[in-house]
Amino acid sequence: NAGVTQTPKFQVLKTGQSMTLQCAQDMNHNSMYWYRQDPGMGLRLIYYSASEGTTDKGEVPNGYNVSRLNKREFSLRLESAAPSQTSVYFCASSRLGPYEQYFGPGTRLTVT
Amino acid sequence: GENVEQHPSTLSVQEGDSAVIKCTYSDSASNYFPWYKQELGKGPQLIIDIRSNVGEKKDQRIAVTLNKTAKHFSLHITETQPEDSAVYFCAASNAGGTSYGKLTFGQGTILTVHP
Repeated sequence: NAGVTQTPKFQVLKTGQSMTLQCAQDMNHNSMYWYRQDPGMGLRLIYYSASEGTTDKGEVPNGYNVSRLNKREFSLRLESAAPSQTSVYFCASSRLGPYEQYFGPGTRLTVT
Repeated sequence: GENVEQHPSTLSVQEGDSAVIKCTYSDSASNYFPWYKQELGKGPQLIIDIRSNVGEKKDQRIAVTLNKTAKHFSLHITETQPEDSAVYFCAASNAGGTSYGKLTFGQGTILTVHP
């Protein structure tokens, strides 16, 4: 039981490049989330998927898109990376809603 | 939307002392309040949570208290140990409301326990 896995662990992009962050969970959870973590700002919700087939915007969705590929997988795409998107990105999942969210190990992204 | 303020931003204690971290929230409809611990290089991990129908919850050395009238909640760690050193985040949610599924986090507290 791996829990929540994220790939890649580290990534450096140039401004304007695109990439997709992958997330998968093996706990049969219904809800999945993408957060970004910046110094002094806690974790901010980018997008979430309350259940398979649905996605919704969080607090900071601009510049991102998501896909809930199936119940296990939830990806985050940056179409045209900007330096302001330099951050650590965490994926999380929960059986139901906000309760007991399990976080992945994170992806550290630098945009130059 | 919900706004969560967390204090202090850093906290330094001696091993064996108690540590208290406080959070205030703005949305009176919030009804779920978890606390997460994040160790260096790892993702946050849930350590304790409380729902609005109770005022206090304990789990061994950690406890959380909730004051709905004042809209604040606190994390209490007793008999601190060096392995308690980490970043702690509070969060709030209106579970079941229009913000279903969303957590709003505080800014985090860096706790350092000195041996």
